[in-house]
Amino acid sequence: NAGVTQTPKFQVLKTGQSMTLQCAQDMNHEYMSWYRQDPGMGLRLIHYSVGAGITDQGEVPNGYNVSRSTTEDFPLRLLSAAPSQTSVYFCASSFGTFGGAVDEQFFGPGTRLTVL
Amino acid sequence: GENVEQHPSTLSVQEGDSAVIKCTYSDSASNYFPWYKQELGKRPQLIIDIRSNVGEKKDQRIAVTLNKTAKHFSLHITETQPEDSAVYFCAARIGGGGADGLTFGKGTHLIIQP
Repeated sequence: NAGVTQTPKFQVLKTGQSMTLQCAQDMNHEYMSWYRQDPGMGLRLIHYSVGAGITDQGEVPNGYNVSRSTTEDFPLRLLSAAPSQTSVYFCASSFGTFGGAVDEQFFGPGTRLTVL
Repeated sequence: GENVEQHPSTLSVQEGDSAVIKCTYSDSASNYFPWYKQELGKRPQLIIDIRSNVGEKKDQRIAVTLNKTAKHFSLHITETQPEDSAVYFCAARIGGGGADGLTFGKGTHLIIQP
């Protein structure tokens, strides 16, 4: 199993550009989520999904869109990039929704995004 | 929503000594408390977790304790080794059958001095 994969690893955008960060998992996990990590801030939840066709907002959703058309994929779209979105983005997945027997979240390798 | 505070932000200990990192949470409905280790440039990886129906959990040199009344939980690392140097994050998750994500602390940079 490849686990959780993310592409690209690095990206530089200009203000106002749009792009999609890709995330895929091959563990048949129902739950997937996106976090951003900024220096001294820990990880903050952007959006999450409990299964195909279902998404919801996390702590910092503004400026981001998600969709979940398949169990495997959970792309994150930046609609109009801003310098404040410069960050490292992590996708994560887990077997079930929280409260079940398996709660561990597996993280992808991250995407380092710079917005100029 | 949930708020997680983590202390200290930096911790330097001598190799072989113990390290303790403390976290507090705000929402008494939280019932799942994982700890993640993140090495420089790498992804966070789960090292241990605890649920609210357990007061302590141990895995070799690592242990976590939970005090639900005081709403705090701690990570204990004994006999520290150079490879323990990393940033450690605590997190909390509100129970109740929903599926929102984890709320993380801001991290502790653990430095093991040779």
